[in-house]
Amino acid sequence: DTGVSQDPRHKITKRGQNVTFRCDPISEHNRLYWYRQTLGQGPEFLTYFQNEAQLEKSRLLSDRFSAERPKGSFSTLEIQRTEQGDSAMYLCASSPWTSGSRTTYEQYFGPGTRLTVT
Amino acid sequence: RKEVEQDPGPFNVPEGATVAFNCTYSNSASQSFFWYRQDCRKEPKLLMSVYSSGNEDGRFTAQLNRASQYISLLIRDSKLSDSATYLCVVIGYQKVTFGTGTKLQVIP
Repeated sequence: DTGVSQDPRHKITKRGQNVTFRCDPISEHNRLYWYRQTLGQGPEFLTYFQNEAQLEKSRLLSDRFSAERPKGSFSTLEIQRTEQGDSAMYLCASSPWTSGSRTTYEQYFGPGTRLTVT
Repeated sequence: RKEVEQDPGPFNVPEGATVAFNCTYSNSASQSFFWYRQDCRKEPKLLMSVYSSGNEDGRFTAQLNRASQYISLLIRDSKLSDSATYLCVVIGYQKVTFGTGTKLQVIP
């Protein structure tokens, strides 16, 4: 399977604990995005990387959230001191950025990590 | 005004019907537009890009109206398998915004 993968698929944690999610993008894609989605809403942008550089962070990404993509391949999203409001689906997407000579913004999503904070 | 707005629906249509969704956006500098399909508890899947000239893929047609700042998706000859939530995506400089989605239910 050469699509975007995410691990774990489900995570149940107690309030106050730290959690870390991993995303492996499609191998030739150099842009990687993180989103959060709650029931009945569209995905909300959190942050994105071009290679290893984090280029943009949403105001939704509080100090408790941090994302890394150290070698420009896989990425991790960590949430510290989880709160019940953090319960959501965390989606990762990757994008090739360029296709031939053309810039493309098409994104391909992984299956997501469903976080439940109790 | 929200940056990207969609009618949440649900749109309940009979098989074989034609249905259209609109998505309005507020930032006139937005650069790229897409439609995604999302099935219940699954990830969004890219349906099609939206170009100024319009584009068609089988039963699906997408249009962009920059003057009025909206994009549209037309589905002809609806199938039961088209039942899903359709999300529009608007991309500007360093910014990606999804709509909340329009739910489509195709009824036998």
